[in-house]
Amino acid sequence: DAGVIQSPRHEVTEMGQEVTLRCKPISGHNSLFWYRQTMMRGLELLIYFNNNVPIDDSGMPEDRFSAKMPNASFSTLKIQPSEPRDSAVYFCASSDYRAYNEQFFGPGTRLTVL
Amino acid sequence: AQRVTQPEKLLSVFKGAPVELKCNYSYSGSPELFWYVQYSRQRLQLLLRHISRESIKGFTADLNKGETSFHLKKPFAQEEDSAMYYCALTGNAGNMLTFGGGTRLMVKP
Repeated sequence: DAGVIQSPRHEVTEMGQEVTLRCKPISGHNSLFWYRQTMMRGLELLIYFNNNVPIDDSGMPEDRFSAKMPNASFSTLKIQPSEPRDSAVYFCASSDYRAYNEQFFGPGTRLTVL
Repeated sequence: AQRVTQPEKLLSVFKGAPVELKCNYSYSGSPELFWYVQYSRQRLQLLLRHISRESIKGFTADLNKGETSFHLKKPFAQEEDSAMYYCALTGNAGNMLTFGGGTRLMVKP
């Protein structure tokens, strides 16, 4: 297995544009997590899904952020419209309750909003 | 509410010196604690979990419920240990992890 896959790896966009980040979890994992990492705030959980259903989205900063998981092998995190303060590294992680819930992280997407 | 605190943002030691990365938590129930590590240009990965009581790459961590701490220790630091270390906790909120702010460990030659 290639592990958790994220795309794109880097994204540079202008303020006001829509940004879509993509994640493919490890096959068979039943939970998926989106995190944001910044120097100031460290690693923050934005939202997580169990069996494709959003369980806790209290970490989503604003209505500009939305996440979907249409099936067990794909999730998106969308920012519309984007702002410079959204610049960060966004990580996706997945886990399997049968494996003590160890979370496996993707390589991250480095987002820069100009 | 559950919270994880890593008081040191940066810890710098010389090769061969002992290392202790501090982690304190607040949680009303019985937590499960983890240490994750992120080496330069690599993805975040699990280093160890308290329930396994294992030593990974020479690192150990003991859960102290009295002091609500889960400090990460290694008797002799190596240059390849230089990385970002995150302490994390999961409790009754299913499999959701709460991360500390992270500590950057720099091991100098």
